[in-house]
Amino acid sequence: GDSVTQMEGPVTLSEEAFLTINCTYTATGYPSLFWYVQYPGEGLQLLLKATKADDKGSNKGFEATYRKETTSFHLEKGSVQVSDSAVYFCALSGTGNQFYFGTGTSLTVIP
Amino acid sequence: GAVVSQHPSWVICKSGTSVKIECRSLDFQATTMFWYRQFPKQSLMLMATSNEGSKATYEQGVEKDKFLINHASLTLSTLTVTSAHPEDSSFYICSARALGTGKTYEQYFGPGTRLTVT
Repeated sequence: GDSVTQMEGPVTLSEEAFLTINCTYTATGYPSLFWYVQYPGEGLQLLLKATKADDKGSNKGFEATYRKETTSFHLEKGSVQVSDSAVYFCALSGTGNQFYFGTGTSLTVIP
Repeated sequence: GAVVSQHPSWVICKSGTSVKIECRSLDFQATTMFWYRQFPKQSLMLMATSNEGSKATYEQGVEKDKFLINHASLTLSTLTVTSAHPEDSSFYICSARALGTGKTYEQYFGPGTRLTVT
């Protein structure tokens, strides 16, 4: 069945460091891929998405490219800020439009 | 657009009582809504899929008689935790499915409801 495997955390970075959070997926067909962010005490917010191979989703300095050949959708940001501290979830929407979430990666950015 | 609200945001109840949580899509209609449960520092666990006008579909291991779901209109789904116990304490999040940009389905999440059972 469809699934998402996400890099385990927690991740701690200094401000302005480069961020990569790995995400790989297993799916039949051609899923859409998403990154959601959850700030402390809040629900999930869509950060970015990609709907087909080679698409690049981007938002707020974050980017992720849909790589069909490696079944990956890694999240990157060139220079993180303290305000980026949150939990990040990779997700896919596959056949039947059901969503599958990764386990989440907690990011803490220290000044 | 695509805002989902939940009410209440935080509720404390005594063991044995029932609690109702509302999930509303504010500016769009949602034929399908989802209810998730999230334990501290863990991912979301899908509890059930709520379809307007029909019975909810529960995931394996979720007690349908304990977690009652009603989706009576295109903008409202409710989750009632019946005879709540301390182990039901958790963060409950709903989402509504709608067509996003690019004609793909997206899920829009509510802010969550923190339930504490004493």
